[in-house]
Amino acid sequence: SQQGEEDPQALSIQEGENATMNCSYKTSINNLQWYRQNSGRGLVHLILIRSNEREKHSGRLRVTLDTSKKSSSLLITASRAADTASYFCATDPNNAGNMLTFGGGTRLMVKP
Amino acid sequence: GAGVSQSPSNKVTEKGKDVELRCDPISGHTALYWYRQSLGQGLEFLIYFQGNSAPDKSGLPSDRFSAERTGGSVSTLTIQRTQQEDSAVYLCASRGWGFYNEQFFGPGTRLTVL
Repeated sequence: SQQGEEDPQALSIQEGENATMNCSYKTSINNLQWYRQNSGRGLVHLILIRSNEREKHSGRLRVTLDTSKKSSSLLITASRAADTASYFCATDPNNAGNMLTFGGGTRLMVKP
Repeated sequence: GAGVSQSPSNKVTEKGKDVELRCDPISGHTALYWYRQSLGQGLEFLIYFQGNSAPDKSGLPSDRFSAERTGGSVSTLTIQRTQQEDSAVYLCASRGWGFYNEQFFGPGTRLTVL
């Protein structure tokens, strides 16, 4: 099974609403990363949160990390139609700082 | 400088043919990764190169798949005797040195095996 698993698998909201996506993982990590993918092409890095951090912000993005529950959440505030994409969390399964294992992703649709 | 580039962007081939997919990483990045993504699915790790070390091939699905990285830069993923189940988007990523560095992805090659 995958190291990181996102929940929900698909999410549909109206423009202006907030979108929350969750990620659970299995092993200890040194960091967790969130990526965005448009139209099944290359992924774009959004944000990285280290294992000793609990919350991180970047623009309209807010990421939380709970290492005791092995879970993370990505919140997109005031969503826009352009936020429509798939969002993936990624963790380093070997804790070696070189590999990433990606979850199955959350497909977000923001309706105008 | 430029980001990660991949070629071709699309490849249609017949079952049984060999294909080569190319990845040009960001200059100076020591790590290079190949992933495969089937329609609507997550990323499946294939192979990882780090500097001059032996590559981590643990994700290659069969011996029909191979990859090389020449001169520590450009990489080629080769699929021999392609099968229909090989149809997917093949993504390449590179990463600079550092424990917390992100991976930078190319646009991918969409492979269709008829």
